[in-house]
Amino acid sequence: KNQVEQSPQSLIILEGKNCTLQCNYTVSPFSNLRWYKQDTGRGPVSLTIMTFSENTKSNGRYTATLDADTKQSSLHITASQLSDSASYICVVSAEYGGSQGNLIFGKGTKLSVKP
Amino acid sequence: SQTIHQWPATLVQPVGSPLSLECTVEGTSNPNLYWYRQAAGRGLQLLFYSVGIGQISSEVPQNLSASRPQDRQFILSSKKLLLSDSGFYLCAWSSGGIYSPLHFGNGTRLTVT
Repeated sequence: KNQVEQSPQSLIILEGKNCTLQCNYTVSPFSNLRWYKQDTGRGPVSLTIMTFSENTKSNGRYTATLDADTKQSSLHITASQLSDSASYICVVSAEYGGSQGNLIFGKGTKLSVKP
Repeated sequence: SQTIHQWPATLVQPVGSPLSLECTVEGTSNPNLYWYRQAAGRGLQLLFYSVGIGQISSEVPQNLSASRPQDRQFILSSKKLLLSDSGFYLCAWSSGGIYSPLHFGNGTRLTVT
């Protein structure tokens, strides 16, 4: 069964600190892995998309890593800001077609950044 | 630039009443369109997707239906709402490439009472 597991479920950090969120997946066939940021009450916003051959991808203070052998990904946030408070969702694509009708979503990690 | 509009933002409906949620996309043509539902503590669940006008794929058999009457319009409907239909409904679009991101609307919070 295709699954995406994220940890921790929630996390509280102080402003300015770094943090790392984890994503483990059992998805086959694997096409690509995405990280989204979802503010409370809003739709998710794409942060990164990584293919099988990409190990690292950055978007500002967000850096995603992918280890396709161990089927693990992480999202590292550097110098956190209050605006980073949100849920972060790991999504794995299990197809090579263009419809994107086979995306498997994790339940998300809820990050709270405190002043 | 492309934008996606979804309304209403919140909706409270009694059990057995009909539902119509609308989503429109601007600034692009022939997008893939999607309806997702997000329940508390659970991952997003794909309900329907469409790769063209009149083409609807249903992922989960349930009390809902979708239609795409125009290229950039996607509608989620129900004839009779159930309590279990409560949730956060998200519309999204993508350009169709396998590495293209999904662009989500800001969702509709539906409460069925």
